[in-house]
Amino acid sequence: GENVEQHPSTLSVQEGDSAVIKCTYSDSASNYFPWYKQELGKRPQLIIDIRSNVGEKKDQRIAVTLNKTAKHFSLHITETQPEDSAVYFCAAMDMEYGNKLVFGAGTILRVKS
Amino acid sequence: NAGVMQNPRHLVRRRGQEARLRCSPVKGHSHVYWYRQLPEEGLKFMVYLQKENIIDESGMPKERFSAEFPKEGPSILRIQQVVRGDSAAYFCASSPIQGRANTEAFFGQGTRLTVV
Repeated sequence: GENVEQHPSTLSVQEGDSAVIKCTYSDSASNYFPWYKQELGKRPQLIIDIRSNVGEKKDQRIAVTLNKTAKHFSLHITETQPEDSAVYFCAAMDMEYGNKLVFGAGTILRVKS
Repeated sequence: NAGVMQNPRHLVRRRGQEARLRCSPVKGHSHVYWYRQLPEEGLKFMVYLQKENIIDESGMPKERFSAEFPKEGPSILRIQQVVRGDSAAYFCASSPIQGRANTEAFFGQGTRLTVV
């Protein structure tokens, strides 16, 4: 089955700097890669996703890149703000065969002001 | 347009009791997932269901845990004879039909189970 690894487990950045979180996956059939943000005591919420027919996707300060050959994908947050502090989870899924979302272990991002 | 609704939000059970967690998916969504999250840990897959079918239960403990998603009504995650190690947040997520363009999974607020 799919295995997703996520690094780093914790990340501290200064406000205004960029943050990068990286994930690798094992199942080459996976073709959908969402990122979720979870604030303390709240539900995970989708912030951006990418499908395997696309190499990069951007939404304001957030971008995701995908390298299918190497089986890794990354989340980039630019101009970080204190409200970006949260736990971020990457995930992978094979959309065509009704598979499940498999999550990475999460990254605790702290943005210091 | 209600999102995924889980109840109760908080559940306290004594060791040996049964816990029933309910999840009503987004209207029109036919797929439900259950995940368990221990304090300061990630989301561990438990089970994936469609209406009246268990598609993948590879993450469910073999004993004491069961799940269903009946034709009518919410999905239920049932934990029998709870132990302290069952204390965790249990999240339900729903998504529309697989293999289509829109496959975003929406999460509920979670049920925080505490076993005393």
